[in-house]
Amino acid sequence: DARVTQTPRDKVTEMGQEVTMRCQPILGHNTVFWYRQTMMQGLELLAYFRNRAPLDDSGMPKDRFSAEMPDATLATLKIQPSEPRDSAVYFCASGRGTVAGNTIYFGEGSWLTVV
Amino acid sequence: AQSVTQLGSHVSVSEGALVLLRCNYSSSVPPYLFWYVQYPNQGLQLLLKYTTGATLVKGINGFEAEFKKSETSFHLTKPSAHMSDAAEYFCAVSMRRDDKIIFGKGTRLHILP
Repeated sequence: DARVTQTPRDKVTEMGQEVTMRCQPILGHNTVFWYRQTMMQGLELLAYFRNRAPLDDSGMPKDRFSAEMPDATLATLKIQPSEPRDSAVYFCASGRGTVAGNTIYFGEGSWLTVV
Repeated sequence: AQSVTQLGSHVSVSEGALVLLRCNYSSSVPPYLFWYVQYPNQGLQLLLKYTTGATLVKGINGFEAEFKKSETSFHLTKPSAHMSDAAEYFCAVSMRRDDKIIFGKGTRLHILP
């Protein structure tokens, strides 16, 4: 079964540390999305890419967050420095072409706790 | 900008009863509409979607949803709830010319024995 793979599944880190989350999209998918899920805010779109180019990262705190796609098989989301308010589940999703009308597929998430 | 409102963060129904989860969207033009389901400690998976054509859409696990343009709604229903339906359900919207998919805050469905 093709699926989106995220690492790490769980991460506990101390405030101020750098955190890097990785995502391997489904082979052949050219759009990648990063979402953050919290109890208070629900699912927030942080950034998305098409053909490795960032199309929209307006939902991402620019001072500490960065998202990149070094190649078509890897997307990264980095937080530096991390803060307790960054504690959340971070989901990566991928799709083929434009998402309009097409399904996007989610990974199982990276559970981040910043203490 | 488009947005999605899900009425009720928690809904409880008895096993065998009708499930109705409400979703309203805000958009100047008819968007694409989706329902996703999230089981505990998992990612989201697609339940069903409306793009064009028939306004009553059938999805997996016996769920269906109807797009009503006049009411800007896309409510999710299932005639008879099963214990395995307990999960969180998300309504989502994307514009026809845009890649972005925006999710509602979700509705947690509880099934009572």
